[in-house]
Amino acid sequence: DAKTTQPPSMDCAEGRAANLPCNHSTISGNEYVYWYRQIHSQGPQYIIHGLKNNETNEMASLIITEDRKSSTLILPHATLRDTAVYYCIVRVRGNYGQNFVFGPGTRLSVLP
Amino acid sequence: KAGVTQTPRYLIKTRGQQVTLSCSPISGHRSVSWYQQTPGQGLQFLFEYFSETQRNKGNFPGRFSGRQFSNSRSEMNVSTLELGDSALYLCASSLAGWRGHGNSPLHFGNGTRLTVT
Repeated sequence: DAKTTQPPSMDCAEGRAANLPCNHSTISGNEYVYWYRQIHSQGPQYIIHGLKNNETNEMASLIITEDRKSSTLILPHATLRDTAVYYCIVRVRGNYGQNFVFGPGTRLSVLP
Repeated sequence: KAGVTQTPRYLIKTRGQQVTLSCSPISGHRSVSWYQQTPGQGLQFLFEYFSETQRNKGNFPGRFSGRQFSNSRSEMNVSTLELGDSALYLCASSLAGWRGHGNSPLHFGNGTRLTVT
């Protein structure tokens, strides 16, 4: 089972920041948080990941709370092309990839 | 750098047939994972290969099998197809397995959409 809980859907106005929450209250010290998104009929696209510090890249920012029990993915200026299902995943760092467990995710609709 | 390439993009098969799907990982990636995605079950892990060896396996019947070649390319095979095998099959590659890359993310291809009639 997925170790994360996300709202099933969210709306965001185009040009505004989209803040997608994720709860992972049972996360352990060596588990990373990953975010992916999937646009219809395409494979999941990697967005960002982190352990305990906030992370930022060209796509998004990841804010992890100090107790690491929740995180927020921030898309600073959402566009219509950001409409997708967003998945938050936690997994243990290991020697190999080990399986990522995908939950149902959050369906983000960016509205014009 | 080219992404993960999966072929074919679409496939239609009949119940009882078998099918082979192909995946070419990102150059330098030696870990390849396979996932099945259906509307009812979502994304489910099938198996993972590294250095031509299966490292992890999901909860799927033995009709689902895979292999990895020395160039890291991978194939998965489904024998005796059932209607319920209709799905999007996704391949992902990763740097995981290399020392210091245990937290490397998966990078997915766009999948092979299999329809079983």
